[in-house]
Amino acid sequence: RKEVEQDPGPFNVPEGATVAFNCTYSNSASQSFFWYRQDCRKEPKLLMSVYSSGNEDGRFTAQLNRASQYISLLIRDSKLSDSATYLCVVTSFDGGSQGNLIFGKGTKLSVKP
Amino acid sequence: ETGVTQSPTHLIKTRGQQVTLRCSSQSGHNTVSWYQQALGQGPQFIFQYYREEENGRGNFPPRFSGLQFPNYSSELNVNALELDDSALYLCASSDKGGSYGYTFGSGTRLTVV
Repeated sequence: RKEVEQDPGPFNVPEGATVAFNCTYSNSASQSFFWYRQDCRKEPKLLMSVYSSGNEDGRFTAQLNRASQYISLLIRDSKLSDSATYLCVVTSFDGGSQGNLIFGKGTKLSVKP
Repeated sequence: ETGVTQSPTHLIKTRGQQVTLRCSSQSGHNTVSWYQQALGQGPQFIFQYYREEENGRGNFPPRFSGLQFPNYSSELNVNALELDDSALYLCASSDKGGSYGYTFGSGTRLTVV
């Protein structure tokens, strides 16, 4: 079982749609959780951190359920500029590292006019 | 505040050769991690450096090695290049052990022929 699993996608949605991405992680010791966005042939960029209490940033809402080891990202009123690959990421502090990032494979989102 | 910079941006090498990739971390960041991203995959953790010491390593063979310098910049060295080493190599830096996310450089795209 992969450490971080995401919906394979791709998601093709019209502008204005609401889209939800799901992610599960296998290591219950994971301590920090993030969503990153990666545009084609570019580096990943931090979209938002994810907290157990849930957090919102404009049109984006992230949720974490530690009991189910489940993370979600909701995008409301999607824009053409939201088209990208969304990476679910957890941080593990195993093995003495200062926290290495474990990425899911990513889910590609295409928003169409 | 300067971000994470990597050099070179693109590189073509022949199988069996050796390569050195360079990374300057974001100002104030003392932790540097390296990731390999093959086409269509999420980034995979190679290793991490914290205060000039290797501080965590992913599932990569010993021919992948690195250094971190007193100014927190870092190098990734790969010996005996194989065709499967062709990928985007990403450097990421962080402070506070990564709890607040990592900042990525734009990567070095390595092609092994």
